[in-house]
Amino acid sequence: GDSVTQMEGPVTLSEEAFLTINCTYTATGYPSLFWYVQYPGEGLQLLLKATKADDKGSNKGFEATYRKETTSFHLEKGSVQVSDSAVYFCALSRSVTGRRALTFGSGTRLQVQP
Amino acid sequence: DSGVTQTPKHLITATGQRVTLRCSPRSGDLSVYWYQQSLDQGLQFLIQYYNGEERAKGNILERFSAQQFPDLHSELNLSSLELGDSALYFCASTTGQGLPSSYNEQFFGPGTRLTVL
Repeated sequence: GDSVTQMEGPVTLSEEAFLTINCTYTATGYPSLFWYVQYPGEGLQLLLKATKADDKGSNKGFEATYRKETTSFHLEKGSVQVSDSAVYFCALSRSVTGRRALTFGSGTRLQVQP
Repeated sequence: DSGVTQTPKHLITATGQRVTLRCSPRSGDLSVYWYQQSLDQGLQFLIQYYNGEERAKGNILERFSAQQFPDLHSELNLSSLELGDSALYFCASTTGQGLPSSYNEQFFGPGTRLTVL
């Protein structure tokens, strides 16, 4: 079945450091890929998405490129801020007979220190 | 604010009991998804409804059931509760207008935290 593997956390960085959170997936066909973010005490928010190979999703300084050859969708940000501290989830979705539920990775907690 | 509301925010109950969690989707969204977030299982899909009908099932236990009403709100019923059912339960909605693509954004509610003692 479909699966998503994320790097283990927590990731602790200083403000303005470069961020990479690795994500790889296993799925047949051509899934859509997502990064969701969960701030403390809140629900998940879509951060960015990519729907086909070589697409780059970007939002709020975060970027991720859909790499079909390596089945990866790594999240990057050039300069993190304290406000980026949250849990980040990589996810995929495939349309299988109308089902479009998300399959999530285990989440990576990011802590940014001033 | 995603536009998806969930009640209650917190629920504390005892083993063996039954609870009902409620979700109101964004205005106009026809599709509702339920997810469970627990420490040991992570975030996993439970069940999906589209315009009142069950569309797909994930890792949902037989003790759990759901329904979507004509006004499109949804309820998740959890019965014979066990300690391991303690988790955050999220509802998400999307337009789900039957498009062939799979990238309709899902908007998540704030969740209901269930604690089973």
